[in-house]
Amino acid sequence: EAGVVQSPRYKIIEKKQPVAFWCNPISGHNTLYWYRQNLGQGPELLIRYENEEAVDDSQLPKDRFSAERLKGVDSTLKIQPAELGDSAVYLCASSFMGLGQETQYFGPGTRLLVL
Amino acid sequence: DAKTTQPNSMESNEEEPVHLPCNHSTISGTDYIHWYRQLPSQGPEYVIHGLTSNVNNRMASLAIAEDRKSSTLILHRATLRDAAVYYCILRQRVDSGYALNFGKGTSLLVTP
Repeated sequence: EAGVVQSPRYKIIEKKQPVAFWCNPISGHNTLYWYRQNLGQGPELLIRYENEEAVDDSQLPKDRFSAERLKGVDSTLKIQPAELGDSAVYLCASSFMGLGQETQYFGPGTRLLVL
Repeated sequence: DAKTTQPNSMESNEEEPVHLPCNHSTISGTDYIHWYRQLPSQGPEYVIHGLTSNVNNRMASLAIAEDRKSSTLILHRATLRDAAVYYCILRQRVDSGYALNFGKGTSLLVTP
């Protein structure tokens, strides 16, 4: 079974440029998460989707970040414009609800460096 | 949300058991204890979870104190591949979809 796929794996951009990250969750997983992980810290939630609906985006900096999950499958996270402080690893995770337990499966992440 | 406290780092020799502690003195009766780990340059992966009783799976064992204010993740025989950051996380329900509160975790170093 294929895991959570993310691309690109690495991205280097200059500040004020836009950037987008793509995530393909595990087939059949209804819930999709985007987390951000700063160096030396644990991941922190940016947004959570149930199918195509964003049910928790309270931690998403909406002035520059946007996300979408069309058709409730793949998801894209965008930053426009990027700032130096956005340098981090962006992790996508998916999970399946309804089996009596929820386990989150994470992709390898996208490492973003903003210069 | 109830918080967890873990040591910043621990060290173990290869092929020896490792006991990773976690304190959660403000745990509520409905909080489950989850452990995830993150290998270098990878996303976190699920290890184990429990509520009150000790749990075993192919990866590890979870020992939960009788008062549930602390727990210990046990790796029975550490390998070099077990070097990772281990996160102890409290969740209200295992079937609810909401974010994991990771904290900083314990960085485990395994030496040959």
